[in-house]
Amino acid sequence: SQKIEQNSEALNIQEGKTATLTCNYTNYSPAYLQWYRQDPGRGPVFLLLIRENEKEKRKERLKVTFDTTLKQSLFHITASQPADSATYLCAFRGADTGRRALTFGSGTRLQVQP
Amino acid sequence: DTGVSQDPRHKITKRGQNVTFRCDPISEHNRLYWYRQTLGQGPEFLTYFQNEAQLEKSRLLSDRFSAERPKGSFSTLEIQRTEQGDSAMYLCASSSDKNTEAFFGQGTRLTVV
Repeated sequence: SQKIEQNSEALNIQEGKTATLTCNYTNYSPAYLQWYRQDPGRGPVFLLLIRENEKEKRKERLKVTFDTTLKQSLFHITASQPADSATYLCAFRGADTGRRALTFGSGTRLQVQP
Repeated sequence: DTGVSQDPRHKITKRGQNVTFRCDPISEHNRLYWYRQTLGQGPEFLTYFQNEAQLEKSRLLSDRFSAERPKGSFSTLEIQRTEQGDSAMYLCASSSDKNTEAFFGQGTRLTVV
């Protein structure tokens, strides 16, 4: 069955370090994947999108990689700040035409210590 | 336009009662989605509208759930005969044809007691 896995354990890092979050998938052929940030009690907020034919995407302190051979995406936050503390969700839309829905992982909670 | 708006933010209801939630998407967005999220999980897809047409429904959407988007603008999600297992955050999102990212509302937190 199709599966998206994110590390369910919280990631704790020191301010200024690079945070790296992992998203693995099985039995998928994603057309693209997206990363969202979610704060407690709020809806997810879109951060970055990367397509299947792209290896890497950057936006300010954020970087996403997409390895279709490993079936993995990595999400990096450089020079992390306490304000980056949140849950980060990866989401896929499959390559099947007509399906618009996103399938989300369960998210990884990031805690940046000052 | 300040984004996707959902109403109410919180709803507590007794088991067996019916509830209805409303979502107002970003005005120029023709695509609208409903998701459900429980604690510690990511959002799970429920249903999708393009304009007023409901084009996709998840198997999670049992017969007790119904969604409408009558004029292609706001949408409602109704749950009939609520059960304790329906307790969750119900999220609405919208997107346009040009951009694939989804813009989410703040959600409606439903508690069935």
